[in-house]
Amino acid sequence: KAGVTQTPRYLIKTRGQQVTLSCSPISGHRSVSWYQQTPGQGLQFLFEYFSETQRNKGNFPGRFSGRQFSNSRSEMNVSTLELGDSALYLCASSLVSGLNSPLHFGNGTRLTVT
Amino acid sequence: ELKVEQNPLFLSMQEGKNYTIYCNYSTTSDRLYWYRQDPGKSLESLFVLLSNGAVKQEGRLMASLDTKARLSTLHITAAVHDLSATYFCAVDPNYKLSFGAGTTVTVRA
Repeated sequence: KAGVTQTPRYLIKTRGQQVTLSCSPISGHRSVSWYQQTPGQGLQFLFEYFSETQRNKGNFPGRFSGRQFSNSRSEMNVSTLELGDSALYLCASSLVSGLNSPLHFGNGTRLTVT
Repeated sequence: ELKVEQNPLFLSMQEGKNYTIYCNYSTTSDRLYWYRQDPGKSLESLFVLLSNGAVKQEGRLMASLDTKARLSTLHITAAVHDLSATYFCAVDPNYKLSFGAGTTVTVRA
């Protein structure tokens, strides 16, 4: 069974640009969540989608947005990039929203903003 | 605001000895998770603890949960080099995981 797939693996962008990251969950998983990992702030929750609906959102500015498609694939978008957005962005999926089963994480997209 | 605190943040282990990582959290949660992250890699689920008193073991790792004390422990028995990694605990009172800062473990001979 294929795991969570994130593309691209690495991305270099310039301040002010925007970026879209993609996540394909494990087949059959309907919940997809996104996390930002930085050395300074650690792992922080961005948002969670279930059946194309955003169910939870973390404390990030509106420049961070996401969506989920009918096949459960998800994208997140960051507009007007800032240097502080440089991070590893992790996508995770689970069978249902409720988390009695663990999240399965992808390998992440490492975003560097210059 | 939910706080999840791990200690120690850095742990240098000697092979063959036993150690414990502590995870305290500030709000009620009946679910606690432990993850492992190797350098440059993603997070791997180790344990899901779903109730007070839950204890789970896998190999040299054993995790327990005390929801009344809001405390989980990850016990490492007879450390080996393969256990070198960063270990995170996380809780989800509102269906969004809040992670601790992580404990970076290095096992030396």
